[in-house]
Amino acid sequence: AAGVIQSPRHLIKEKRETATLKCYPIPRHDTVYWYQQGPGQDPQFLISFYEKMQSDKGSIPDRFSAQQFSDYHSELNMSSLELGDSALYFCASSYLGQGPGELFFGEGSRLTVL
Amino acid sequence: GEDVEQSLFLSVREGDSSVINCTYTDSSSTYLYWYKQEPGAGLQLLTYIFSNMDMKQDQRLTVLLNKKDKHLSLRIADTQTGDSAIYFCAEINNNAGNMLTFGGGTRLMVKP
Repeated sequence: AAGVIQSPRHLIKEKRETATLKCYPIPRHDTVYWYQQGPGQDPQFLISFYEKMQSDKGSIPDRFSAQQFSDYHSELNMSSLELGDSALYFCASSYLGQGPGELFFGEGSRLTVL
Repeated sequence: GEDVEQSLFLSVREGDSSVINCTYTDSSSTYLYWYKQEPGAGLQLLTYIFSNMDMKQDQRLTVLLNKKDKHLSLRIADTQTGDSAIYFCAEINNNAGNMLTFGGGTRLMVKP
């Protein structure tokens, strides 16, 4: 069965650079969530989209922005990168019409800021 | 997460049962989840339970929900070394947004 696809899996950037992470949800899922997991931490909610509109906003820095496109894939744009942005970034998707019920995560994108 | 709490560590012997506990504060939680995370890997959905249920069983996994005490547990029967991982409890209150709030995770170590 198709899962949540994230790219790239690994990314190395310098301070003050920009990074873009992509997420392709499970087909027919209408909701995408972005989470950030620092080393040894639990995942922290950043932002979510339902039917291409921003749904909820968590602890997302102003330097970050995200959107969901007409094909339901989502991109997380991170600018003016800081060392503290080094983390695993997870995308998850669900079909909100049922619940959300099953909520699946991708394998994550590991961002390292040098 | 401050609203979902788990013990940090659990050690069991192979073949024994493991019970991982979780408490939460939001009495309006609608769905509660268990995720497994192996080192450097993603979050694997193990199971979830809707708040109007008190038990759900799926092969070796049994989830018990006590809504009165806001307590969720995950029992793994016949624990194997491959079950060694971090287990996260998470909850959603989909009447107040649809974001998952995670517990801090319980590291399960299975000794041969």
